[in-house]
Amino acid sequence: SQTIHQWPATLVQPVGSPLSLECTVEGTSNPNLYWYRQAAGRGLQLLFYSVGIGQISSEVPQNLSASRPQDRQFILSSKKLLLSDSGFYLCAWSQGSTGNTIYFGEGSWLTVV
Amino acid sequence: GQNIDQPTEMTATEGAIVQINCTYQTSGFNGLFWYQQHAGEAPTFLSYNVLDGLEEKGRFSSFLSRSKGYSYLLLKELQMKDSASYLCAVENTGGFKTIFGAGTRLFVKA
Repeated sequence: SQTIHQWPATLVQPVGSPLSLECTVEGTSNPNLYWYRQAAGRGLQLLFYSVGIGQISSEVPQNLSASRPQDRQFILSSKKLLLSDSGFYLCAWSQGSTGNTIYFGEGSWLTVV
Repeated sequence: GQNIDQPTEMTATEGAIVQINCTYQTSGFNGLFWYQQHAGEAPTFLSYNVLDGLEEKGRFSSFLSRSKGYSYLLLKELQMKDSASYLCAVENTGGFKTIFGAGTRLFVKA
């Protein structure tokens, strides 16, 4: 069966510091991969999605970036965090292009102080 | 543009039935998902509708009308554990960009 893991689960970072969140998927090949962010009391905002290694599409201009160095690995990064980057970050995967459910990782709580 | 609307909060009584509505406007539509999200946790999949009509899955049912841009999630025999946020999500043409609504927080009271 397929599993998705992301880490770290919780982190508190000062403004201006770098960020790296990592996500891996097991039990499938060539998945679509996603990063979503959920601010407190708000909906899920799609940040990036990837349909293959090295292929990244950005949905929202911001100081975040994503990379997919391997088929089942997805990384969210920032060189300098802002206060507004605080939130609940969710990595997710799906298989195929249409009608395929998105499955989420456990989520990472980021607090920028 | 794209827009998904659902009520912010709803309250219902244990054992009752509740209907959570979702309306959407999108430039390209493939299908509609419903997810459940408990506080502090990741969303989990409930249902997917691509054709008009009602899909039943145990205590949960989901309805879609593509012509009206409307869906609802029906929860029967409510239990306290059903207290959660329910997210409506639209899968756009191409399938790679699923857009989520802000969610409806459901409170189930005894």
